[in-house]
Amino acid sequence: GDSVTQMEGPVTLSEEAFLTINCTYTATGYPSLFWYVQYPGEGLQLLLKATKADDKGSNKGFEATYRKETTSFHLEKGSVQVSDSAVYFCALSPKGGSYIPTFGRGTSLIVHP
Amino acid sequence: NAGVTQTPKFRVLKTGQSMTLLCAQDMNHEYMYWYRQDPGMGLRLIHYSVGEGTTAKGEVPDGYNVSRLKKQNFLLGLESAAPSQTSVYFCASSYGTAAYNSPLHFGNGTRLTVT
Repeated sequence: GDSVTQMEGPVTLSEEAFLTINCTYTATGYPSLFWYVQYPGEGLQLLLKATKADDKGSNKGFEATYRKETTSFHLEKGSVQVSDSAVYFCALSPKGGSYIPTFGRGTSLIVHP
Repeated sequence: NAGVTQTPKFRVLKTGQSMTLLCAQDMNHEYMYWYRQDPGMGLRLIHYSVGEGTTAKGEVPDGYNVSRLKKQNFLLGLESAAPSQTSVYFCASSYGTAAYNSPLHFGNGTRLTVT
């Protein structure tokens, strides 16, 4: 079946540091890929998405590129802020079958001033 | 501009009690989902629905029942609560016809404690 693997956290950074959160997936065909963010006490919200190979999703300074050859969708940001502290989830949606998405386990990011 | 609304926000139950969690969405979404979130386990799908009157089991359905009598509402029931059901429950919804391309919209969760 489909699966999503994320790097384990927590990831702890100082403000203005470069961020990478790794995400790899296993799926039949070419799913759509998503990053969601969960702030404390809230539900998940969409951060960015990519629907086909080589697409780059971007939002709020975050970027991720759909890499078919390495089945990866790593999240990056050039300069993190304290307000970026949250849990980040990578997810895929298959383009067929039940269309039910699969989520990674989430990666906690802590940014210190 | 409500989106997905979950009620209640918090609840404490004694073992063996029953309760229903309500999820309402105002975006005319076809698909609705119930997840539970536990430390170190990420999100686990309990049940889902692909349209009014339909329900299907997810990854961890035991001990839960659901109903989708109206398109905008998705109810999650616990008939006899157990301490293992202590968790944060999230409802989500998405479009159906292009579900693979459609992100999920989440509610803010219900924190349930079973003593």
